Amino acid sequence: GNSVTQMEGPVTLSEEAFLTINCTYTATGYPSLFWYVQYPGEGLQLLLKATKADDKGSNKGFEATYRKETTSFHLEKGSVQVSDSAVYFCALSEWNAGNMLTFGGGTRLMVKP
Amino acid sequence: AAGVIQSPRHLIKEKRETATLKCYPIPRHDTVYWYQQGPGQDPQFLISFYEKMQSDKGSIPDRFSAQQFSDYHSELNMSSLELGDSALYFCASSFGGGLTGELFFGEGSRLTVL
Repeated sequence: GNSVTQMEGPVTLSEEAFLTINCTYTATGYPSLFWYVQYPGEGLQLLLKATKADDKGSNKGFEATYRKETTSFHLEKGSVQVSDSAVYFCALSEWNAGNMLTFGGGTRLMVKP
Repeated sequence: AAGVIQSPRHLIKEKRETATLKCYPIPRHDTVYWYQQGPGQDPQFLISFYEKMQSDKGSIPDRFSAQQFSDYHSELNMSSLELGDSALYFCASSFGGGLTGELFFGEGSRLTVL
């Protein structure tokens, strides 16, 4: 079956530090990959996505590249802000699996001023 | 732009009671997904509907049932509630069975079972 593994948190960084949250996946076919963000008390919001190998998703300074050879989709941001503090979920979906999302365990990011 | 609407946002029930959660998808979206997120946990897929028919089933307990109505809204019915059912329940919608693979989530309904 499909699964997503991401680094455990919390990740604590100072403002303007570089962020990497690792995500690796196992899938039977050719999944689409996503990063969702959940701010305190809110629902899940799509941050970025990539639908095929070597695609790079990017949004709000975050980016992630779909690496089929390493089955990875690591999230990066060059300079984090306090407002980036949230829980980040890596997820995948497959068309032949009904497109339901399989989520990783989530990584809490805390950015200190 | 219109988003996924869930109601109620908060619900408190006693053990063994029944609860119903509602989800109104984004207009013209025909696919609805339900997820359960326990405290500190990642969201777990429960069930999905495409064009008013159940399309996939995940880890939904037998005590729970759901359906999608003619106007595409969906309801999740939970009976014989247990303490462990306390969670945030998310609904998500998409178009065409999720052709793009992108799901749009509501803000969730928080169920507390006492």
